[in-house]
Amino acid sequence: DAGVIQSPRHEVTEMGQEVTLRCKPISGHNSLFWYRQTMMRGLELLIYFNNNVPIDDSGMPEDRFSAKMPNASFSTLKIQPSEPRDSAVYFCASSFTTGAKSYEQYFGPGTRLTVT
Amino acid sequence: DAKTTQPTSMDCAEGRAANLPCNHSTISGNEYVYWYRQIHSQGPQYIIHGLKNNETNEMASLIITEDRKSSTLILPHATLRDTAVYYCIVFRRGAGSGNTGKLIFGQGTTLQVKP
Repeated sequence: DAGVIQSPRHEVTEMGQEVTLRCKPISGHNSLFWYRQTMMRGLELLIYFNNNVPIDDSGMPEDRFSAKMPNASFSTLKIQPSEPRDSAVYFCASSFTTGAKSYEQYFGPGTRLTVT
Repeated sequence: DAKTTQPTSMDCAEGRAANLPCNHSTISGNEYVYWYRQIHSQGPQYIIHGLKNNETNEMASLIITEDRKSSTLILPHATLRDTAVYYCIVFRRGAGSGNTGKLIFGQGTTLQVKP
């Protein structure tokens, strides 16, 4: 299994530009999570999907952030317009969740975003 | 989800056992104890989890006290590659309104394995 795949691994952009981060979850997993990690705030959950439906987006910082999951094998996190304070490492994770249980989350390698 | 308390940092000699403690005194009956680690510049990696009983897998052992208010992650023979930040998380796996699927990461313990 290739694990969770994220692209790009590194992104450098200028303030005001649109940024799109991509994630391919592990095949067979039905839950997908987007996290952000900074030195100041640590690892924080932004949004998560179950069966392609957003369940909890309370961690999304503001309207500039949006996430989609058009199918079970692909998700995007978009920032428009980007700001320097969005600079962070963004992780995608996936897991298998039934009606009764949530199982272990497996993380991708992350996308390091730098907004200048 | 219950809050956890971990030491900020620990050192361990290579080849020795690393014992990482975690306090979770407000854990409720249906919450599991999960351990993840994050090696520098990588995504967090699942290690092990447990509810009441001690657990062991190929990576580590998890010892949970009888009252479930604390636990210890044991890496039996630490190597330099085990240098990482270790996160102890309590997590409600079951169904119901409390099951959000959310892992809440604290600051973790930075384990430095030294030659």
